[in-house]
Amino acid sequence: DTAVSQTPKYLVTQMGNDKSIKCEQNLGHDTMYWYKQDSKKFLKIMFSYNNKELIINETVPNRFSPKSPDKAHLNLHINSLELGDSAVYFCASSTGQGASYEQYFGPGTRLTVT
Amino acid sequence: SQKIEQNSEALNIQEGKTATLTCNYTNYSPAYLQWYRQDPGRGPVFLLLIRENEKEKRKERLKVTFDTTLKQSLFHITASQPADSATYLCALDAPRDSSYKLIFGSGTRLLVRP
Repeated sequence: DTAVSQTPKYLVTQMGNDKSIKCEQNLGHDTMYWYKQDSKKFLKIMFSYNNKELIINETVPNRFSPKSPDKAHLNLHINSLELGDSAVYFCASSTGQGASYEQYFGPGTRLTVT
Repeated sequence: SQKIEQNSEALNIQEGKTATLTCNYTNYSPAYLQWYRQDPGRGPVFLLLIRENEKEKRKERLKVTFDTTLKQSLFHITASQPADSATYLCALDAPRDSSYKLIFGSGTRLLVRP
């Protein structure tokens, strides 16, 4: 059983395009996250939702817009893609908010912008 | 500003030896510290969580220490195996006046030679 799944696994697109990444968790968790891992392997939080409510919104360009239709899903839409958006994007979930909860990560989506 | 440092150089050890990885932090007073394992092309996997009032935590061959005076956590893998080869990430909770998020280090790659 897949706990946290993301689609697509790979995404290659041209500058200026709009794309979406989907995430689903079947763990019954209340909190979901989007992270970006750059080429230097730093994993940085972008957004977090708790029970469909946005609780963390880091300094991310407003071209990035998360959407949580329900507790089990958190999608990421990116407008006007730029070269610097190339990275691996990870979705994660946890039972609650905060660092006292372990996070479960998806397999990642490798985005390449050409 | 807050900073988390993990040795960027890979740790190369012989099978059967104990691997020790270091996570140092500055300008933090984290209440929680977590360790994750990341294999190439995969998402991080949670290993251990330790609280500020805990000196040590163990799980099978893994041991984590948390020294709030030295601002350091050590992650030990005893009787290491080639299957332990991976990148290990430490993560701390953000300062108490911030939101509910984890700040990740860039990770240390461990190579266990058979």
